Amino acid sequence: GENVEQHPSTLSVQEGDSAVIKCTYSDSASNYFPWYKQELGKRPQLIIDIRSNVGEKKDQRIAVTLNKTAKHFSLHITETQPEDSAVYFCAATTTNTGNQFYFGTGTSLTVIP
Amino acid sequence: KAGVTQTPRYLIKTRGQQVTLSCSPISGHRSVSWYQQTPGQGLQFLFEYFSETQRNKGNFPGRFSGRQFSNSRSEMNVSTLELGDSALYLCASSLYDIQNEQFFGPGTRLTVL
Repeated sequence: GENVEQHPSTLSVQEGDSAVIKCTYSDSASNYFPWYKQELGKRPQLIIDIRSNVGEKKDQRIAVTLNKTAKHFSLHITETQPEDSAVYFCAATTTNTGNQFYFGTGTSLTVIP
Repeated sequence: KAGVTQTPRYLIKTRGQQVTLSCSPISGHRSVSWYQQTPGQGLQFLFEYFSETQRNKGNFPGRFSGRQFSNSRSEMNVSTLELGDSALYLCASSLYDIQNEQFFGPGTRLTVL
């Protein structure tokens, strides 16, 4: 089955700096890669996603890049703000029958004011 | 639109008992997925239901089961509870499948004593 690895597990940045979180996956059939943000005590929330036919997607301060050859995708947050502090999860799945939803282990991001 | 709701929010059970958790999706959403979240294992996919049928399933033992009703509401059942089943159980709904944006409920915190 699929194996999603996420790095780093913790990340501290100064307010205004950029943050980058990287995930690798093993199944070349994976074709949908969402990113979720989970604030302490709250439910996960989709912040951005990318499909395998696209190399990059941007939404204001957040971007995701996908390298299918190397089987990795990354979340980029620019101009970080204290409210970006949360745990971020990457995930991967396929459209194949019987597909599962595989999550990375999470990155705890702290933005220092 | 009302968001995804889950009941109960907290539950305490003892080993060997069984438990049923309920999830009401966003109106119009037909896909409901269930996830287990623990500090040790992170977020893990349990199963997904669509049109009252289990469409996808994760790697959990048969003690974990679910069902979906004609109004898309879903229940998850865990039989013969073990200490390791203590977790936050999240459900998420989406329009058609897990590759559409998933909206998570607040979760049910299950403690097994």
